[in-house]
Amino acid sequence: DAGITQSPRHKVTETGTPVTLRCHQTENHRYMYWYRQDPGHGLRLIHYSYGVKDTDKGEVSDGYSVSRSKTEDFLLTLESATSSQTSVYFCAISDGQGEYEQYFGPGTRLTVT
Amino acid sequence: GQNIDQPTEMTATEGAIVQINCTYQTSGFNGLFWYQQHAGEAPTFLSYNVLDGLEEKGRFSSFLSRSKGYSYLLLKELQMKDSASYLCAVRDDTSGTYKYIFGTGTRLKVLA
Repeated sequence: DAGITQSPRHKVTETGTPVTLRCHQTENHRYMYWYRQDPGHGLRLIHYSYGVKDTDKGEVSDGYSVSRSKTEDFLLTLESATSSQTSVYFCAISDGQGEYEQYFGPGTRLTVT
Repeated sequence: GQNIDQPTEMTATEGAIVQINCTYQTSGFNGLFWYQQHAGEAPTFLSYNVLDGLEEKGRFSSFLSRSKGYSYLLLKELQMKDSASYLCAVRDDTSGTYKYIFGTGTRLKVLA
């Protein structure tokens, strides 16, 4: 299995509080991705990174920011959590083109009350 | 724009064959992927197509037609453990970097 972990695995927080989710990899892969998964919507890309300090927005980036200061860590921050951000968040890694598929982390279940 | 369509739900019988279709529209196609996701778990990779044709991996096969923007995943000799969601995803390189766009997934129920 690819070495990819997420922390925390579960979190309950209140509306308006900041939240940071961490994704950590031991594969030295160039690309890292943050998705959210909601019933009826499938996996939607929030932000992704194609190298240290190189990031770009996905289709549902509003209300989220990311940072990648080293290859192995990709942080997702909700500056002021809202109930609409209650979701399961998955991190994924990939080494780039060719047959390099994405490997997914175990997911973080976030509940905003 | 980018759009991926697949059926929401399918039901099949143990031992049968099932085909899950996926149609896509994207400006920078760089490969099509299928993932399996069991309830409460992370997606896991099943197959990859970048050229037209059929790729076979044991009981699973995947087909791609780039001109038609169409793919299918074929599952043979269905087993109960194949009950899961199947996600179609397109890798897009329009921006010069690689993004993966996912369909909403097809939930497959295998009945005894």
